[in-house]
Amino acid sequence: DTEVTQTPKHLVMGMTNKKSLKCEQHMGHRAMYWYKQKAKKPPELMFVYSYEKLSINESVPSRFSPECPNSSLLNLHLHALQPEDSALYLCASTGDASNTQYFGPGTRLTVL
Amino acid sequence: QKEVEQNSGPLSVPEGAIASLNCTYSDRGSQSFFWYRQYSGKSPELIMSIYSNGDKEDGRFTAQLNKASQYVSLLIRDSQPSDSATYLCAALNAGNNRKLIWGLGTSLAVNP
Repeated sequence: DTEVTQTPKHLVMGMTNKKSLKCEQHMGHRAMYWYKQKAKKPPELMFVYSYEKLSINESVPSRFSPECPNSSLLNLHLHALQPEDSALYLCASTGDASNTQYFGPGTRLTVL
Repeated sequence: QKEVEQNSGPLSVPEGAIASLNCTYSDRGSQSFFWYRQYSGKSPELIMSIYSNGDKEDGRFTAQLNKASQYVSLLIRDSQPSDSATYLCAALNAGNNRKLIWGLGTSLAVNP
C-alpha cells in the first residue's frame, strides 16, 4: 500500500483567514514533505520532516507553518496568505530503505 | 546549479506507437532517478525508478539509465490515449537525499 491521503481536496480562503491542510500516511515512512505546484511547473519543495523533526525549510514565508504531530501526520497551517499562494499543495512521504517519494492527491488552494 | 533537462514537447505519437521521453542531468553524483506521470490537475504518480545503468522494464514501460552520458529515458510501448499526460523526470540530489531535482516535464499526447 503506497497511499498518502490529503484533506481537504479543495480549499478557498480569504487573505485574513486561518486554515490548515492535513496529510496522513500509514506506510511507516519516516520522512514527509510539503510541496507547492503551480500550473505547468514541477513541484517546488517547501518543507521536509525527517523522524518528526523539521530538516528542510526552503526559505518559505512564515505565513506557512508546518507541523508534524506524529510519524503518520503532517499539517500545514496557513495564515494571511496572498492570491499568489494559490496552487496545488502536495504532500509526499518516503521510507528509509527507498528514496522514492509517494505523493498524495493534493489540495487545490485558492486565495481570494 | 544542479539541473535536470527535458524537452517540453508536446510530443505527439499515434496510438500503438512507442513514445520516447528523454532527460539529462548535471549532478554526476546522482544515483537514483524517477519518472512520474502527472495528469492535468492531479498529483504526480510514480511510473518508474531506476538506480543502475541499463534497462528496467515494467509492463509497457522501460526506463534506461546511462550514468556515463548522464542520460535517463522512458519508453512507453503500445501507447494509449490514457498515457496522454505530462511526464516528469527527477534525480535524487547527491548532496541531500531528501531532495529531488526536477525537470520541467514533457507533455505527451497519444492520438487515437
